[in-house]
Amino acid sequence: GENVEQHPSTLSVQEGDSAVIKCTYSDSASNYFPWYKQELGKRPQLIIDIRSNVGEKKDQRIAVTLNKTAKHFSLHITETQPEDSAVYFCAASMKVITGRRALTFGSGTRLQVQP
Amino acid sequence: GAVVSQHPSWVICKSGTSVKIECRSLDFQATTMFWYRQFPKQSLMLMATSNEGSKATYEQGVEKDKFLINHASLTLSTLTVTSAHPEDSSFYICSARPPGGGLWGTDTQYFGPGTRLTVL
Repeated sequence: GENVEQHPSTLSVQEGDSAVIKCTYSDSASNYFPWYKQELGKRPQLIIDIRSNVGEKKDQRIAVTLNKTAKHFSLHITETQPEDSAVYFCAASMKVITGRRALTFGSGTRLQVQP
Repeated sequence: GAVVSQHPSWVICKSGTSVKIECRSLDFQATTMFWYRQFPKQSLMLMATSNEGSKATYEQGVEKDKFLINHASLTLSTLTVTSAHPEDSSFYICSARPPGGGLWGTDTQYFGPGTRLTVL
């Protein structure tokens, strides 16, 4: 099955700096890679996702890059703000048309933005 | 749009009792829902895939007789933790995937708010 590794486990940055979280996946058949933000005791919220037919996607201060050859993808947050502090999870999923495959999550990164 | 609700948000029960958790898609029909378990400061671990009108598909190591899943309609899936024990205490989260066509189908999963189960 799929295995997703995520680094770092914790990340502390100063407000205004950039934050980068990296994930690798094992199954070359995976083709959908979402990133979720989870605040303490709350549900994971999708913040950005990318499919295997593109290499980069950007949404305001958030961007995701995908390297299919190396099987890794990264989340980039620019101009970080204290409200960005949360746990971020990457995930990978195989082609959904097959029906049953769900998301395999990374271990999470606790991001702390220091004001 | 794409709102998923879960009930109850928290529950405390005695060891040996059964607890039912409901997951509803409020504004879309979901042929597939997923159940995850999350221990403190850990990641989400998939327990099972719930398919409307058919049996759930359980992940390796998840006891199907202990975690009963019923997906009776296109907007409701239930997870029943039978004969709960303290080690079953966890945060249970469901997700649902809106239907869609095309090459990718609909990949995006929307999560419920979770249910915190504490077994005494």
